[in-house]
Amino acid sequence: NAGVTQTPKFQVLKTGQSMTLQCAQDMNHEYMSWYRQDPGMGLRLIHYSVGAGITDQGEVPNGYNVSRSTTEDFPLRLLSAAPSQTSVYFCASSYSGQGTREQYFGPGTRLTVT
Amino acid sequence: TQLLEQSPQFLSIQEGENLTVYCNSSSVFSSLQWYRQEPGEGPVLLVTVVTGGEVKKLKRLTFQFGDARKDSSLHITAAQPGDTGLYLCAGRGSNYKLTFGKGTLLTVNP
Repeated sequence: NAGVTQTPKFQVLKTGQSMTLQCAQDMNHEYMSWYRQDPGMGLRLIHYSVGAGITDQGEVPNGYNVSRSTTEDFPLRLLSAAPSQTSVYFCASSYSGQGTREQYFGPGTRLTVT
Repeated sequence: TQLLEQSPQFLSIQEGENLTVYCNSSSVFSSLQWYRQEPGEGPVLLVTVVTGGEVKKLKRLTFQFGDARKDSSLHITAAQPGDTGLYLCAGRGSNYKLTFGKGTLLTVNP
């Protein structure tokens, strides 16, 4: 199993550009989520999904869109990039339902917006 | 909003020393997880504690969940340079979401 994969690893955007961060998992996990990690701020939840066709907002959703058309994929779209979106982005997945639902993280995408 | 406070924020010690990292909240969590993150990588789960008062050991790492399920600690015995990394605690409340602490950055010097 590849686990959780993310592409690209690094990306530089100009203010106002749009792009999609890709995330895929091969563990048949129902729950997937996107976090951003900034120095001194820890991991903050952007959006999450409890299954195909179902998404919801997390703590910091503004400026980001998500969709979940399949169990495996959960892309994150930046509509109009801003310097405040410079961050490291992590995708994670886990089983849903009862239980402790440990999360498996991808390797991250380091995004710089100039 | 459920908050998790981790302390200390930074810790630099010599190889062979012992250390304890704390994760505290005023909220009750149904479970609490500890992750370790190395530079340039995503967090990796170390352990999950579920029951108040629970103690789990992972080689030289000992994890404890508070009796009231509001706090947790991570104790490392005889730290090694390979233990260097960012240690994150994360609490799960009554919904699907995890609340993460801001982390403790541990450096173990040879």
